[in-house]
Amino acid sequence: EDQVTQSPEALRLQEGESSSLNCSYTVSGLRGLFWYRQDPGKGPEFLFTLYSAGEEKEKERLKATLTKKESFLHITAPKPEDSATYLCAVDDSWGKLQFGAGTQVVVTP
Amino acid sequence: DADVTQTPRNRITKTGKRIMLECSQTKGHDRMYWYRQDPGLGLRLIYYSFDVKDINKGEISDGYSVSRQAQAKFSLSLESAIPNQTALYFCATSDYLGTGSPDTQYFGPGTRLTVL
Repeated sequence: EDQVTQSPEALRLQEGESSSLNCSYTVSGLRGLFWYRQDPGKGPEFLFTLYSAGEEKEKERLKATLTKKESFLHITAPKPEDSATYLCAVDDSWGKLQFGAGTQVVVTP
Repeated sequence: DADVTQTPRNRITKTGKRIMLECSQTKGHDRMYWYRQDPGLGLRLIYYSFDVKDINKGEISDGYSVSRQAQAKFSLSLESAIPNQTALYFCATSDYLGTGSPDTQYFGPGTRLTVL
C-alpha cells in the first residue's frame, strides 16, 4: 500500500536555527513529489514540485531535495513568518495526490 | 479576487441533515477535487473530476456525492450528515498539461463543517 510519512510531527525552532523536515514515501512509479505550506484556517499553498532523485529546488529560506525514498525540506535561518504546517504529497497516478499528515513548525523570536 | 472560492466557509449542522458545499474557480482549470482534512490524518481525496462529464471516487467517497455543474463549479453533498464527517473540507483545481508531468493542484480556503 502506498504511504507517505512525515517527520517530525511538530518542530519548534528559535529564529535563525536551521532544521530539516522529512517526507518518506513508498509509492511505486512516483511521478512527482509536492511540498505545500498551510497556515491555520487556510488552504494549502503550493511551494515546490520535485520529479526525480537528485533534484533540488529553492525558494527564499526553503530548499527541497529528493531521493528515491524520501524528500527533505530544509529551512535555513528561519523567521517567525515561516511558522506553518508543511505538507508533503506524492502523485502516484494521473492527478491523484496522496498526502502526509504534515509537520507543524513554530519559529519563535 | 481569489482564484478558488468555497462557500460556506463555516457551517454547523445536525445529524441527518443534507449539506452542500460549493466550489468555484476562475483559473480555467479542467480538473477539480474535493478533500477532507482531519487532525493527524492529513488530506484525503473524496472525489475528483477531470472534466464536466468525468467524475471519479477517491479514497473516502462513502457518504458523499458530487456534482460538476460547469467547468468552474464543483459541489460536494453530504446526503445525511453524521458527526464523524466533522472536518475541514478543501476544494482544489489543476490544469492538465499533457506533458506526462503531474499537475499542480491549487487549493481553496476551505470549509469548516461541524456535525452535531
